[in-house]
Amino acid sequence: AQSVSQHNHHVILSEAASLELGCNYSYGGTVNLFWYVQYPGQHLQLLLKYFSGDPLVKGIKGFEAEFIKSKFSFNLRKPSVQWSDTAEYFCAVNGYGGSQGNLIFGKGTKLSVKP
Amino acid sequence: DGGITQSPKYLFRKEGQNVTLSCEQNLNHDAMYWYRQDPGQGLRLIYYSQIVNDFQKGDIAEGYSVSREKKESFPLTVTSAQKNPTAFYLCASRDWQGKAFFGQGTRLTVV
Repeated sequence: AQSVSQHNHHVILSEAASLELGCNYSYGGTVNLFWYVQYPGQHLQLLLKYFSGDPLVKGIKGFEAEFIKSKFSFNLRKPSVQWSDTAEYFCAVNGYGGSQGNLIFGKGTKLSVKP
Repeated sequence: DGGITQSPKYLFRKEGQNVTLSCEQNLNHDAMYWYRQDPGQGLRLIYYSQIVNDFQKGDIAEGYSVSREKKESFPLTVTSAQKNPTAFYLCASRDWQGKAFFGQGTRLTVV
């Protein structure tokens, strides 16, 4: 079965610090990978996605993520965080083959950015 | 406007009652999902449906049931068999590229 593991439950950073949130998945086949963000009181929204091609994908608001197939990882990065990045971040996997159609989320990482 | 509509926003249920949460979409998506969101647990998949008249159990389907009689609608029933139903429930649909669109959620409380 698919699963997604996010390493950090809560990350606290000061503004301008660099961010890296870890995400590992387990699935033997082809996957699509996503990062979603949930700002306080708002819907989940898509930050970025990887389907194929260049393993370094860029999303909205200066976020990027790198797919490393050999490590089953899809870590989220941002060079310099802002207070407005305070939110909860979810990694998600959509596998193909036996689990086609499934969309599995990690437990989320809460990011708090201190002004 | 296109999107996912969940209702009601807040729902109170007495012990032993079944309740049904509504989810409607006008995005013409085939795939729809129900998740439960608890603090520290992320989103856990309850049921999903890839096409009308078909649905599959997710990781925590026990105590829940769904139907998918129309493409636009994917209601979730929380039955009395669900031992800990108090939670925030999210419905989503997914486009052909895999991007998920979420509703605003329903907060269910057992009283």
